[in-house]
Amino acid sequence: AQKVTQAQTEISVVEKEDVTLDCVYETRDTTYYLFWYKQPPSGELVFLIRRNSFDEQNEISGRYSWNFQKSTSSFNFTITASQVVDSAVYFCALGGSSNTGKLIFGQGTTLQVKP
Amino acid sequence: DTAVSQTPKYLVTQMGNDKSIKCEQNLGHDTMYWYKQDSKKFLKIMFSYNNKELIINETVPNRFSPKSPDKAHLNLHINSLELGDSAVYFCASSQAQIANTGELFFGEGSRLTVL
Repeated sequence: AQKVTQAQTEISVVEKEDVTLDCVYETRDTTYYLFWYKQPPSGELVFLIRRNSFDEQNEISGRYSWNFQKSTSSFNFTITASQVVDSAVYFCALGGSSNTGKLIFGQGTTLQVKP
Repeated sequence: DTAVSQTPKYLVTQMGNDKSIKCEQNLGHDTMYWYKQDSKKFLKIMFSYNNKELIINETVPNRFSPKSPDKAHLNLHINSLELGDSAVYFCASSQAQIANTGELFFGEGSRLTVL
């Protein structure tokens, strides 16, 4: 079965703190893809990153970084020096060959960054 | 120029009515989707079309009927609206036939409220 778990429902931090959003996934596929999406208060869904299962290199993009560990089936997302504009709901998602084209989303983590 | 556009953005209606939400993408993508986001922010796929052909049909009541007149458009018609249909409906498109391998581009969402 395909499943994505984001155990943190809500996180609140003060500006400039670092914060890590956890994502744990379950899949039987040997080839799969992991995604992070951001949903700011305005409501749209914004793509942040896609990672293939055969590429375990961590990725950094500005203040954002992602840690992919197949051994623990995790794809965690860290925001360094958080800013108020980072306040949003963040979704982790899984796509694989067995789910014929659909992304399975986690429950989402609401991040509130206070000034 | 908006890549994926949905209309209307807000829809308030009475139980039992029939309503439609329209979606258009100008990205030249072959695949389009409808996702439903409930009050707890949970995102779940409803339908997917590839080149006007239905490829994903989740367990959705028959009252929901998607229609794709061409690959740039995917409309959602809902008959006999119920209170539980209240949600935000997102249209999305992707370049890859299977969403797993490509980024999903989302519309801004259509918030449906059934009274």
